[in-house]
Amino acid sequence: DTAVSQTPKYLVTQMGNDKSIKCEQNLGHDTMYWYKQDSKKFLKIMFSYNNKELIINETVPNRFSPKSPDKAHLNLHINSLELGDSAVYFCASSQAGGHAEAFFGQGTRLTVV
Amino acid sequence: AQTVTQSQPEMSVQEAETVTLSCTYDTSESDYYLFWYKQPPSRQMILVIRQEAYKQQNATENRFSVNFQKAAKSFSLKISDSQLGDAAMYFCAYRRRSGGGADGLTFGKGTHLIIQP
Repeated sequence: DTAVSQTPKYLVTQMGNDKSIKCEQNLGHDTMYWYKQDSKKFLKIMFSYNNKELIINETVPNRFSPKSPDKAHLNLHINSLELGDSAVYFCASSQAGGHAEAFFGQGTRLTVV
Repeated sequence: AQTVTQSQPEMSVQEAETVTLSCTYDTSESDYYLFWYKQPPSRQMILVIRQEAYKQQNATENRFSVNFQKAAKSFSLKISDSQLGDAAMYFCAYRRRSGGGADGLTFGKGTHLIIQP
């Protein structure tokens, strides 16, 4: 069973479109995240979310919005896609306390053309 | 704000040899976690090893071990008996203990490890 799964794995879309990436975790974790990995492989957190609080990295454009229908899901919606949004997006989850490590999905490679 | 620095963009090692990847970090926190993650060409992020700052003993996982120097804010990864499957990007990451993980992980820029057969 996949612990953190995200769909789709690949997404090619035109500039200006709106798209969503879905993420689900079956680990019972209370915190979920979205990370962006740029073309130079640098990973940076975009959002973290638990059932109490959403923390947004201030550098993330407001075209990006996380949506959490329940504790096990955190989807990423992107409006008005731009060429610079092309990247790999990773969903992750962790449990507050415990061993603290984050478990990652397999990533979604987004290409904006 | 915390920062993580990996000063080696790329490292190369012969199969069966030992290699050490460097990582330094900066934080004002006293209690935190440090991690090494591996990212093979498949893109999956895989946890290699974890260290809790309050533990003086260096973490080990089979062929992987760390040298954690808290005062120097250094956290290097040693891979013994390198195998072809170890070829990957390796990321050092930091997370403070307080806040329950809300901050997420802060990553270094990664080291690309090449294994020469």
